[in-house]
Amino acid sequence: RKEVEQDPGPFNVPEGATVAFNCTYSNSASQSFFWYRQDCRKEPKLLMSVYSSGNEDGRFTAQLNRASQYISLLIRDSKLSDSATYLCVVNAIRSGYALNFGKGTSLLVTP
Amino acid sequence: DAGVTQSPTHLIKTRGQQVTLRCSPKSGHDTVSWYQQALGQGPQFIFQYYEEEERQRGNFPDRFSGHQFPNYSSELNVNALLLGDSALYLCASSAGTEGAGTEAFFGQGTRLTVV
Repeated sequence: RKEVEQDPGPFNVPEGATVAFNCTYSNSASQSFFWYRQDCRKEPKLLMSVYSSGNEDGRFTAQLNRASQYISLLIRDSKLSDSATYLCVVNAIRSGYALNFGKGTSLLVTP
Repeated sequence: DAGVTQSPTHLIKTRGQQVTLRCSPKSGHDTVSWYQQALGQGPQFIFQYYEEEERQRGNFPDRFSGHQFPNYSSELNVNALLLGDSALYLCASSAGTEGAGTEAFFGQGTRLTVV
């Protein structure tokens, strides 16, 4: 079983839609959680860190459920520029300094 | 302020050859990690260098080796290339003293094709 699992999609949504991505992780000792965004053939970039209390950054909301070992990302009012792959990333004590990436969820926002 | 820079951007090698990829970290960062990203997959951790030493290693064979220089730049070497080594190789830099799980800044990557 992979340490971080995501629905690969693709998710095709119209502009203005709300879309949610889910991610599960297997290591209960995981400490740090992130969502990274990766545009086609580009490097991953940090979208937001995920905190236990949940956090919001503009149209983006991230939630963490430690009991269920589940992370989510909600994008409201989707823009064409949101089209990208969204990577769920977890750091666990056992992993030391390594970041464990999910496979990524592909989002395509259409006009 | 230059971000993470990697060279070359693209590379084509033949099976059995050796390759060296280079990375300069973001200014102020002293830790460099290398990741391999195969097509359609998330990045996989290869190893991390801090204070010129390999601090942690992922599940990659000994054909993958690295080095960190006093100026914090780093090299990734891959010997005896296999077709399966074809991937995007990403370098990420961070500040080592901030501990695990801090934000990593990625370079644009080196796309290696083995033929």
